[in-house]
Amino acid sequence: NAGVMQNPRHLVRRRGQEARLRCSPMKGHSHVYWYRQLPEEGLKFMVYLQKENIIDESGMPKERFSAEFPKEGPSILRIQQVVRGDSAAYFCASSPSTSRNTEAFFGQGTRLTVV
Amino acid sequence: KNEVEQSPQNLTAQEGEFITINCSYSVGISALHWLQQHPGGGIVSLFMLSSGKKKHGRLIATINIQEKHSSLHITASHPRDSAVYICAVRSGATNKLIFGTGTLLAVQP
Repeated sequence: NAGVMQNPRHLVRRRGQEARLRCSPMKGHSHVYWYRQLPEEGLKFMVYLQKENIIDESGMPKERFSAEFPKEGPSILRIQQVVRGDSAAYFCASSPSTSRNTEAFFGQGTRLTVV
Repeated sequence: KNEVEQSPQNLTAQEGEFITINCSYSVGISALHWLQQHPGGGIVSLFMLSSGKKKHGRLIATINIQEKHSSLHITASHPRDSAVYICAVRSGATNKLIFGTGTLLAVQP
């Protein structure tokens, strides 16, 4: 049973390009959370999705950032027209439900560097 | 003020020492997690607590719901325990995690 899979592990983009980060949740999990870890800062919630629905995007920047979790395939975090301040580690976590006893299963993260 | 506060921010210990990391929170929670992250590495869940105490090997985690406080203890610390330890609480209707800023632990041989 593979864990949460994120790819790529490392991504380098020039300013103005688009970044696409992928997250495949654990088998049987239909809930995905995206978190961002800026350099020298703690992790911050970005967005929570269930299959085909965005449930909570209160942590997403208003512009350039979007997320989806289609019926088939991985969840995608998309950053358009990247800027240096987007350089960070992006982590995905999945769960089978939102019950209070849900463990936290994280992917290895995608480290985005904007040059 | 952060909703989840950890102390200390940095901790250096000698191999074999008993280590305590503290976490206080100010929001209602459904569970509290202790996580471990090695530099440049992924995040591993050590414990999930909603009450009482849990033990796994040399690690012990406790939570006091009334005082909104949790502690992570490491007994007989070892250099391989060197990592960042993060306290996170599940809060709100969507059970998203709110994180502390982490404690950087260095255990010297």
